[in-house]
Amino acid sequence: DAGVIQSPRHEVTEMGQEVTLRCKPISGHDYLFWYRQTMMRGLELLIYFNNNVPIDDSGMPEDRFSAKMPNASFSTLKIQPSEPRDSAVYFCASTQRGRKQFFGPGTRLTVL
Amino acid sequence: GENVEQHPSTLSVQEGDSAVIKCTYSDSASNYFPWYKQELGKRPQLIIDIRSNVGEKKDQRIAVTLNKTAKHFSLHITETQPEDSAVYFCAPRILTGGGNKLTFGTGTQLKVEL
Repeated sequence: DAGVIQSPRHEVTEMGQEVTLRCKPISGHDYLFWYRQTMMRGLELLIYFNNNVPIDDSGMPEDRFSAKMPNASFSTLKIQPSEPRDSAVYFCASTQRGRKQFFGPGTRLTVL
Repeated sequence: GENVEQHPSTLSVQEGDSAVIKCTYSDSASNYFPWYKQELGKRPQLIIDIRSNVGEKKDQRIAVTLNKTAKHFSLHITETQPEDSAVYFCAPRILTGGGNKLTFGTGTQLKVEL
């Protein structure tokens, strides 16, 4: 099993540009989570899906952020337009109900 | 939502000593208590977990103890080694059909000195 896969691993962009982060969960996992990690705010849950349906997006900071899960093996987190304060490491994680969460390697986003 | 606090925020120990990190939570319905370890530049990884029907669990040099009455659980690392240096997060939650939402603590930076 390849584990949770995220791409890109690093992204540097300029303020105002659209950023799309991608995640492939572990096969067979029915929950997918997007987290953001910064020094100031720690590890925050942004949104999570169950069977491709968004369940809780209360952590999404504002309308500039959106997430989709068109099928069981793919999810995207989009920021449009991006701002310097969005700079962070974004993690995707997946799990089966009641089991351990497995994190992807993360995407380090820098918005200049 | 769940309020989670960790203490201490930083911890420095000598190699071979023990380290204890405490996690306090607010939701009495929480029944699953994991600890994650995150090394610098790496992803968080589950190192040990416990369910509320168990008071203590041990895995080699690490252990977790739970006090449901007081709503806290602790991570114990014995015979610490330099590779134990990392940030440790607790993430108590409710194991129900409603989902797997985790609220992470603020993290404890553990440094094991030679």
